[in-house]
Amino acid sequence: SQQGEEDPQALSIQEGENATMNCSYKTSINNLQWYRQNSGRGLVHLILIRSNEREKHSGRLRVTLDTSKKSSSLLITASRAADTASYFCATDAREYGNKLVFGAGTILRVKS
Amino acid sequence: GAVVSQHPSRVICKSGTSVKIECRSLDFQATTMFWYRQFPKQSLMLMATSNEGSKATYEQGVEKDKFLINHASLTLSTLTVTSAHPEDSSFYICSARRAPNQPQHFGDGTRLSIL
Repeated sequence: SQQGEEDPQALSIQEGENATMNCSYKTSINNLQWYRQNSGRGLVHLILIRSNEREKHSGRLRVTLDTSKKSSSLLITASRAADTASYFCATDAREYGNKLVFGAGTILRVKS
Repeated sequence: GAVVSQHPSRVICKSGTSVKIECRSLDFQATTMFWYRQFPKQSLMLMATSNEGSKATYEQGVEKDKFLINHASLTLSTLTVTSAHPEDSSFYICSARRAPNQPQHFGDGTRLSIL
């Protein structure tokens, strides 16, 4: 079974709205990372949040981490059409050899 | 910044051909590089972890003789798909990391199509 699972699988919103994506995982982690992937391209690193951190911000992005619930969320505020992409969470855990294990991803579509 | 360059971006070749893909970290030294495979509309699947100067560690189910990985320097890793067949057609992505507990930085991927 996957270490990281994301929901929703797909999300369609209007430009200007906020988008929230959630990620759950199973083991203790060193850190959790969020990535964006535009169609047919590589991944772009968004935010890394360590296990002792609860919240991080970067521009319009806000990531929270709840280690008691083994979950994280990515919030994109005031979304733009250019935010349309797939978003993946990935966990770095000792149990998985300190390698990143990716969730299935959320496909976000922002309509203008 | 942390830029990773992957080349080529697209390869179309005949069955039986060997294909080499390069992954370079342009502005940092990468102690570890990773190779992933991604099927359409799916997540990334780790194929192998490559540390500079040592043999790559392959994930279960990945054939070492099929997917040859070389990490000769702190800025370059190569993946060679030997005697490629149509089932090897996929999107291959590399990433590089400065140190453990640091983000991975990804190349733009290589779309491999075997006819």
